Amino acid sequence: SQKIEQNSEALNIQEGKTATLTCNYTNYSPAYLQWYRQDPGRGPVFLLLIRENEKEKRKERLKVTFDTTLKQSLFHITASQPADSATYLCALDRSGATNKLIFGTGTLLAVQP
Amino acid sequence: DAGVIQSPRHEVTEMGQEVTLRCKPISGHNSLFWYRQTMMRGLELLIYFNNNVPIDDSGMPEDRFSAKMPNASFSTLKIQPSEPRDSAVYFCASSGGLAVQETQYFGPGTRLLVL
Repeated sequence: SQKIEQNSEALNIQEGKTATLTCNYTNYSPAYLQWYRQDPGRGPVFLLLIRENEKEKRKERLKVTFDTTLKQSLFHITASQPADSATYLCALDRSGATNKLIFGTGTLLAVQP
Repeated sequence: DAGVIQSPRHEVTEMGQEVTLRCKPISGHNSLFWYRQTMMRGLELLIYFNNNVPIDDSGMPEDRFSAKMPNASFSTLKIQPSEPRDSAVYFCASSGGLAVQETQYFGPGTRLLVL
């Protein structure tokens, strides 16, 4: 069956360190992979999109990698801050043809001051 | 722009009652998505529309769930009759289209509790 797995445990790191979140998928061939941030009581907010032919994408302190051989994406936040504390969701397009997405269960990141 | 607007933000009802959730997408967006989020199952797509037409409702759990989009600025998700297992946060999202790289913009969600 189709499956997306993210770090099931919460990730606790110290302020200033780099946070690395993992997204693994099986039985998909997505054309794109997206990362969203979700704060408590709010809807997910889009952060980054990476295409299957891109190895890496950066936006300010965020970096995403996409390895279609390993079927894995890594999401990095450098120089992390307490304000980065949130749940981060990865999402894949189901078919490569539309933006109908399937989401991972998310990883809760807590950045300690 | 005000973003995606959902109402009500919170709903508490008793089992067997009808529940109607409402969504106003971002002006100019052609596609609208309804999701449900629970701790156990995460964020699940229920149904989505393009140009007010339902495209895929394969995620709708049962016939008790129905969704409509009578015009480009309004959609409803109805549960009749509601059951305790329907308790979840329901999100509406909109996008500029269905192209695979189109970003989805989510509303704040409706937190539903069925007693």
